[in-house]
Amino acid sequence: RKEVEQDPGPFNVPEGATVAFNCTYSNSASQSFFWYRQDCRKEPKLLMSVYSSGNEDGRFTAQLNRASQYISLLIRDSKLSDSATYLCVVNPLLSGGYNKLIFGAGTRLAVHP
Amino acid sequence: DGGITQSPKYLFRKEGQNVTLSCEQNLNHDAMYWYRQDPGQGLRLIYYSQIVNDFQKGDIAEGYSVSREKKESFPLTVTSAQKNPTAFYLCASSIDTDTQYFGPGTRLTVL
Repeated sequence: RKEVEQDPGPFNVPEGATVAFNCTYSNSASQSFFWYRQDCRKEPKLLMSVYSSGNEDGRFTAQLNRASQYISLLIRDSKLSDSATYLCVVNPLLSGGYNKLIFGAGTRLAVHP
Repeated sequence: DGGITQSPKYLFRKEGQNVTLSCEQNLNHDAMYWYRQDPGQGLRLIYYSQIVNDFQKGDIAEGYSVSREKKESFPLTVTSAQKNPTAFYLCASSIDTDTQYFGPGTRLTVL
């Protein structure tokens, strides 16, 4: 099982739609989680951090379910500019030494007129 | 403006050639990282440095080398020992071990 798994998509949705992505992680001790957005041939950019049960920023809501070991990203009122790949990132907080981030392969979203 | 810069944006390497990718940051971050991204895969950690004059191997360090002589700079050398170097290379920095900020990337192609 991969440490961080995401549905690669693509999710094709019309403008104005609500879309949700899930991401599952294998290490139950993980404490911090992130969603990054990556446009085609560009660098990932931090979208949201998720440290407790969830986080909301405008049209974007991230939720954490520790019991089932997944985090979700909900996008309301989708815009054409939301078209991108969304990367799920987990900090597994291993004991001792450096805590490296684990990146999912990403979920691609395509919003059409 | 504060940020992370990488150069060049595109790089072409011939067989048996070493090439060096530049990464500079003026965010005063202690930690810096190098990742490789291949199509359909998550970012994979090559090397990281938590402080000047110290660096550690990541998951796929073979065929790569780094140095950290200055806080602002963390260059990556792709050596001829790296058999499949064609990829998108991303440098990142962070003030702690959590939130990382990325540079614009270097796209390396082997001719």
